[in-house]
Amino acid sequence: AQSVTQLDSQVPVFEEAPVELRCNYSSSVSVYLFWYVQYPNQGLQLLLKYLSGSTLVKGINGFEAEFNKSQTSFHLRKPSVHISDTAEYFCAVSEGSARQLTFGSGTQLTVLP
Amino acid sequence: GAGVSQSPRYKVAKRGQDVALRCDPISGHVSLFWYQQALGQGPEFLTYFQNEAQLDKSGLPSDRFFAERPEGSVSTLKIQRTQQEDSAVYLCASSHETQYFGPGTRLLVL
Repeated sequence: AQSVTQLDSQVPVFEEAPVELRCNYSSSVSVYLFWYVQYPNQGLQLLLKYLSGSTLVKGINGFEAEFNKSQTSFHLRKPSVHISDTAEYFCAVSEGSARQLTFGSGTQLTVLP
Repeated sequence: GAGVSQSPRYKVAKRGQDVALRCDPISGHVSLFWYQQALGQGPEFLTYFQNEAQLDKSGLPSDRFFAERPEGSVSTLKIQRTQQEDSAVYLCASSHETQYFGPGTRLLVL
């Protein structure tokens, strides 16, 4: 069985400051890793994904994440946040491209002016 | 191109009513997933289709939940005799390699 832990349920940060949203996973097999963003009353939008290859993955809106196999982590980072980044962020894992996603409980990022 | 669409966007049901939630996937996507997202939680897997075949329904919480995709395109999630604990957002995703989500249907059972 696989699981995802998002260590922070809420992260407040000032505009233009850097941010890191933490994600740890557990799985007995190789996994694919994802970060999704959810704006109020909307579905999930893919930010970035790790399938294989380079452990540093760049996504949309200036976000990036680094896969660390030894620490079973996939933390999301952005060097300078904007007000518009305020949203709920979900880390997810799957065992294949046509397999179900297992999500963490989410991190609410609030960017303060 | 068009993304995944879901209807209705909002549904209020009285306890005991049956409801049907529709998902229109991205054209050509073979795989289709349904998830349930309770308030303040991450989505949880309900069921998975590959074309018209339902390959995994291990996440359906009870036999009141039923899903179908008869022609391998549009899918319907049906909940019979709704209960208050069924109140949640129901998300549909279609996939070629990556899952793309619809906006969800917010179900409130009174």
